Amino acid sequence: QVQLQQSGPGLVKPSQTLSLTCAISGDSVSSNSAAWNWIRQSPSRGLEWLGRTYYRSKWYNDYAVSVKSRITINPDTSKNQFSLQLNSVTPEDTAVYYCARGLYHILKGIWFDPWGQGTLVTVSS
Amino acid sequence: EIVLTQSPGTLSLSPGERATLSCRASQSVSSSYLAWYQQKPGQAPRLLIYGASSRATGIPDRFSGSGSGTDFTLTISRLEPEDFAVYYCQQYGSSPPVTFGQGTKLEIK
Repeated sequence: QVQLQQSGPGLVKPSQTLSLTCAISGDSVSSNSAAWNWIRQSPSRGLEWLGRTYYRSKWYNDYAVSVKSRITINPDTSKNQFSLQLNSVTPEDTAVYYCARGLYHILKGIWFDPWGQGTLVTVSS
Repeated sequence: EIVLTQSPGTLSLSPGERATLSCRASQSVSSSYLAWYQQKPGQAPRLLIYGASSRATGIPDRFSGSGSGTDFTLTISRLEPEDFAVYYCQQYGSSPPVTFGQGTKLEIK
């Protein structure tokens, strides 16, 4: 059974960097069949996919256009986890942040299962 | 960007009734690249359906998905008390690769 455990601060000051980590059990961050994603949820923006990292003989990253200039997602193979860094945050970045495993099938697309427990991150001074 | 519009925004039904939730895409969704999730207050979304009609592991058979192109449906055949929650659809396509609908709240009548 795959489980994702998130950690990181719940309060970040404006203009600073939001940092979260997602620890994986029951699967590998280096899996050739999964991608490791960050998704956030807020009342104003709903569920918003932020980006992913995945390994297919080498590491790849994809990011949402809305955050592309500010986001970094990194794998940590030694700890079997991955991280999110979002720079220059504003109150608009206040949201519940989730990590999620993405699975893909050529006939069925991409789906997310499981999800981490979520971290409410508030951007405020 | 493919925009997913879910309807109705809120659906009020009683346990034992049938629920039909709609997800309409602004342009055709590739193949059957659509998933459905259930979210209860204070919890992360839970995968119900992927590939438009495949039930995820452990999901009761009262949940079913159908549709293709731009119109997709999640049906709950007989509502149980634990089914009252918010439901989201999600598609996989080009840029951005993933988008979600705004959700349908299923509430007890």
